[in-house]
Amino acid sequence: SAVISQKPSRDICQRGTSLTIQCQVDSQVTMMFWYRQQPGQSLTLIATANQGSEATYESGFVIDKFPISRPNLTFSTLTVSNMSPEDSSIYLCSFRGRDWTEAFFGQGTRLTVV
Amino acid sequence: GDSVTQMEGPVTLSEEAFLTINCTYTATGYPSLFWYVQYPGEGLQLLLKATKADDKGSNKGFEATYRKETTSFHLEKGSVQVSDSAVYFCALTRYNNNDMRFGAGTRLTVKP
Repeated sequence: SAVISQKPSRDICQRGTSLTIQCQVDSQVTMMFWYRQQPGQSLTLIATANQGSEATYESGFVIDKFPISRPNLTFSTLTVSNMSPEDSSIYLCSFRGRDWTEAFFGQGTRLTVV
Repeated sequence: GDSVTQMEGPVTLSEEAFLTINCTYTATGYPSLFWYVQYPGEGLQLLLKATKADDKGSNKGFEATYRKETTSFHLEKGSVQVSDSAVYFCALTRYNNNDMRFGAGTRLTVKP
């Protein structure tokens, strides 16, 4: 199965700044997904990223706050912009397997905003 | 919409104890069901899955059976080890549906 690498693994950021999270897959995947896992809570889908088109955002998430890039079929970035302490979460990238059932996840980025 | 309800934790067990983590779901059609595990400091890993009713997923001594009549997918293990300490997530998806829905997660701590 493909390997998915995510970085940074963790960061502590000042409020008002931005952080870009990178996700690299060792094979080509059509769609990549970005999730947020708030402290003590489950995963929530932020957006779906296709190569060559704008990302599709879920209700409650907007492009200005969470811009996403997908320059090719193996790479994606998520930026958390103008951060506030409420953005402190674990952010995970993911892609689906060929049969569209199983999902594979990056290691996660633990973000703390102070 | 689709949803997953998972037994709340945390759960603390002694080594070799029996484990059950309950999971029930609400979904239209016939979703695929999953258990994912998140070890400390790591991302989610697939533990087991079942894609149709009455299927049993199993891996590393863990089992779960897809019960459509009770809309459940409870995770069980007969004898837990310290190394099983992690957070366990129940999840579902429907074919070609982008969104994978997750339960709240259950933190398991196994003490020697």
